Amino acid sequence: DQQVKQNSPSLSVQEGRISILNCDYTNSMFDYFLWYKKYPAEGPTFLISISSIKDKNEDGRFTVFLNKSAKHLSLHIVPSQPGDSAVYFCAASGEWYGGSQGNLIFGKGTKLSVKP
Amino acid sequence: NAGVTQTPKFQVLKTGQSMTLQCAQDMNHNSMYWYRQDPGMGLRLIYYSASEGTTDKGEVPNGYNVSRLNKREFSLRLESAAPSQTSVYFCATLTRGNLWGRHFGDGTRLSIL
Repeated sequence: DQQVKQNSPSLSVQEGRISILNCDYTNSMFDYFLWYKKYPAEGPTFLISISSIKDKNEDGRFTVFLNKSAKHLSLHIVPSQPGDSAVYFCAASGEWYGGSQGNLIFGKGTKLSVKP
Repeated sequence: NAGVTQTPKFQVLKTGQSMTLQCAQDMNHNSMYWYRQDPGMGLRLIYYSASEGTTDKGEVPNGYNVSRLNKREFSLRLESAAPSQTSVYFCATLTRGNLWGRHFGDGTRLSIL
């Protein structure tokens, strides 16, 4: 049973436009969420995170939004650039799940293609 | 990725062979992790080590053993490899400045025939 779901396997966006990647979770006990970016033949790279006490976190072109009531988070990339083309993973954890001492639950990923 | 080094990068094994995947980190974190990623799947935790001398099972530990040799090194061993263990294996430690995050190595691509 998937606790973290990324229902769109792929997304194609034009350069300069907004990319919106979505993630849903089922376990209301999750209280920390992260996004990772992964290029082929490399390990995932931490991108941005958000705590459940917030509903928005920004870092440059990247913004993560959290809707706890809907158990939904999204990653917005504005403006999108060709170098953003990668697989994006959503991940979730919580103190009850062990935090740094335990597990992150990952979604299956969304492949973003940004076309020039 | 600077900070976490995995060896080898690629390996092909025959069913029943054994192998140890090596991982070393220079970020001075206590916590280290082993994940596997299968096609179309997210990363799944195999084992983790909260500190030198301690290890704990993750989601998918069957068929694997680990050793936390010292603070820097955390190895993953397949005693009798099976085709179902064909995967990309990632070692990780904590993200610098964010104890919820993970800093990953570039992975070991393992094929078992």
